[in-house]
Amino acid sequence: DTAVSQTPKYLVTQMGNDKSIKCEQNLGHDTMYWYKQDSKKFLKIMFSYNNKELIINETVPNRFSPKSPDKAHLNLHINSLELGDSAVYFCASSPGQGNQPQHFGDGTRLSIL
Amino acid sequence: RKEVEQDPGPFNVPEGATVAFNCTYSNSASQSFFWYRQDCRKEPKLLMSVYSSGNEDGRFTAQLNRASQYISLLIRDSKLSDSATYLCVVIKAGGFKTIFGAGTRLFVKA
Repeated sequence: DTAVSQTPKYLVTQMGNDKSIKCEQNLGHDTMYWYKQDSKKFLKIMFSYNNKELIINETVPNRFSPKSPDKAHLNLHINSLELGDSAVYFCASSPGQGNQPQHFGDGTRLSIL
Repeated sequence: RKEVEQDPGPFNVPEGATVAFNCTYSNSASQSFFWYRQDCRKEPKLLMSVYSSGNEDGRFTAQLNRASQYISLLIRDSKLSDSATYLCVVIKAGGFKTIFGAGTRLFVKA
């Protein structure tokens, strides 16, 4: 059983388009995250939600809009995609109040043409 | 100064070697500490949590020195399968804000 699942695994699209990435966790965790890993492999937190409430928003452009319909799901919508958005986006989840180890999904590779 | 700093490596070691990685963090109020490993084109996976008392899991030993704001990972008897990038992770006080180091690459050769 996949604990944290993301879709799609690969996303290739044109500059200026709008796209969404979905994430679901079946671990019963309270906290979910979105990370961006760029071409230099640096992993940076973008957003954190706890029980559907936004906790962390790390100076991400407002073209990125997360949405958590329930605590098992955290989706990421990106408007007006730019070349610099090309990266791997990881979803993760953790129990409790955000100080426990996180379990990661296998990533969404976004390529902007 | 980066909030979490690691030597990027790469470390090239023969099988059976002992290798140590270090990590420093800048925020003295940091709360939780972990080592993750990431294989090429894969997601990060938890290797172990890090405690002030030090902790061991098989061939892996992690240590935290809060006074020096320093975390270490020791791998004994390296295996080919240990080849990966090792990420130092710090969570700030209050939880949620997770900082990843840039990672240290390890290559274990036969």
